[in-house]
Amino acid sequence: AQTVTQSQPEMSVQEAETVTLSCTYDTSESDYYLFWYKQPPSRQMILVIRQEAYKQQNATENRFSVNFQKAAKSFSLKISDSQLGDAAMYFCAYRSANQFYFGTGTSLTVIP
Amino acid sequence: NAGVTQTPKFQVLKTGQSMTLQCAQDMNHNSMYWYRQDPGMGLRLIYYSASEGTTDKGEVPNGYNVSRLNKREFSLRLESAAPSQTSVYFCASSELRANEKLFFGSGTQLSVL
Repeated sequence: AQTVTQSQPEMSVQEAETVTLSCTYDTSESDYYLFWYKQPPSRQMILVIRQEAYKQQNATENRFSVNFQKAAKSFSLKISDSQLGDAAMYFCAYRSANQFYFGTGTSLTVIP
Repeated sequence: NAGVTQTPKFQVLKTGQSMTLQCAQDMNHNSMYWYRQDPGMGLRLIYYSASEGTTDKGEVPNGYNVSRLNKREFSLRLESAAPSQTSVYFCASSELRANEKLFFGSGTQLSVL
């Protein structure tokens, strides 16, 4: 089974600064999709960004971007110009066919 | 747009009681899922249904049963609740396209005393 590892249980960042959340995964497949989800205190799961493994170009959504290193099986999330509303739990997820695999999450604190 | 609706939002059970968590989606998705979320454990798959009429075990199926009632509805049943089943439960759905994301319900906070 595929595994997804988030090695940083907690991270903090000063407001307006940049922070990078790490994610690695283990797979023998060549075609798959990767996602970052945000879970604020409301418990709602919100898609932040997605990346197709066959695309070399890193995905970007406004202040959120990824650093996708396929050979290293690494998929980190960079949040630029951090805002108080970015404080949340962030989950990295891997999709293969009908299965989604999640990491254990990184709790991000934004310091005013 | 309702998306994925799951009920109830909160529930307290005594050990040994049974209950069913309901989930319905209005996006005509083929695949539906039940996850549990525990601190430090992330989201773990309990059961999923790739399409109407099929169900499969996930990572942590023991103590649970599911029913894919039709394309819209996918319920999760605890026959005899145990304190280890105290958790937040999420229902989710997705289309079969490989780049499609998971759409989540709002979650159920379940406490088993």
